[in-house]
Amino acid sequence: AQSVTQLDSHVSVSEGTPVLLRCNYSSSYSPSLFWYVQHPNKGLQLLLKYTSAATLVKGINGFEAEFKKSETSFHLTKPSAHMSDAAEYFCVVQRGLTGTASKLTFGTGTRLQVTL
Amino acid sequence: EPEVTQTPSHQVTQMGQEVILRCVPISNHLYFYWYRQILGQKVEFLVSFYNNEISEKSEIFDDQFSVERPDGSNFTLKIRSTKLEDSAMYFCASTPSGAYNEQFFGPGTRLTVL
Repeated sequence: AQSVTQLDSHVSVSEGTPVLLRCNYSSSYSPSLFWYVQHPNKGLQLLLKYTSAATLVKGINGFEAEFKKSETSFHLTKPSAHMSDAAEYFCVVQRGLTGTASKLTFGTGTRLQVTL
Repeated sequence: EPEVTQTPSHQVTQMGQEVILRCVPISNHLYFYWYRQILGQKVEFLVSFYNNEISEKSEIFDDQFSVERPDGSNFTLKIRSTKLEDSAMYFCASTPSGAYNEQFFGPGTRLTVL
């Protein structure tokens, strides 16, 4: 079984300051890990994904995440927050390659607030 | 850019009624999913579908739920007799292959059961 824990339900930062959204995972298999973003009244958009290649993953809109197996973490960072980054962020785990359709398991989400 | 589409965007129904939520996955994708998100809660997996059959389903996906790919382009979720607790946002997703690939999500259908 796999699970993710998002350590903060709400994070507030000032525009132009760094963003850190924390995620720890648990998986019986070598996992794939993703960060999805959900803007108000919108669907889910992929920010970035880790699939056992480089441990530092770069995504869209300046976001990146580092896979740390020893810490079972996959924290999301951005050097400088923008007002448009305000949204709900989901850390997601998928079990390793099985050759069949593999479900995503979502964390509870972190709401990012960006203030002036 | 191809995208997953869902209709309707919002459906209101009376308890006990049947509803069908429709999705059009990206055309060359082979794996299809339904997820739901009850207001204020996390996104939960319902069911995955491949090669015209269910690959996996969650405990939520009981006999009241069914999925179908009736015509090679649409992918539907049917709830036979809706309950108040079925009120949620329902997301359809698709992917070219089963693992190590992004799942592309539709915008969702908000289901309200009165």
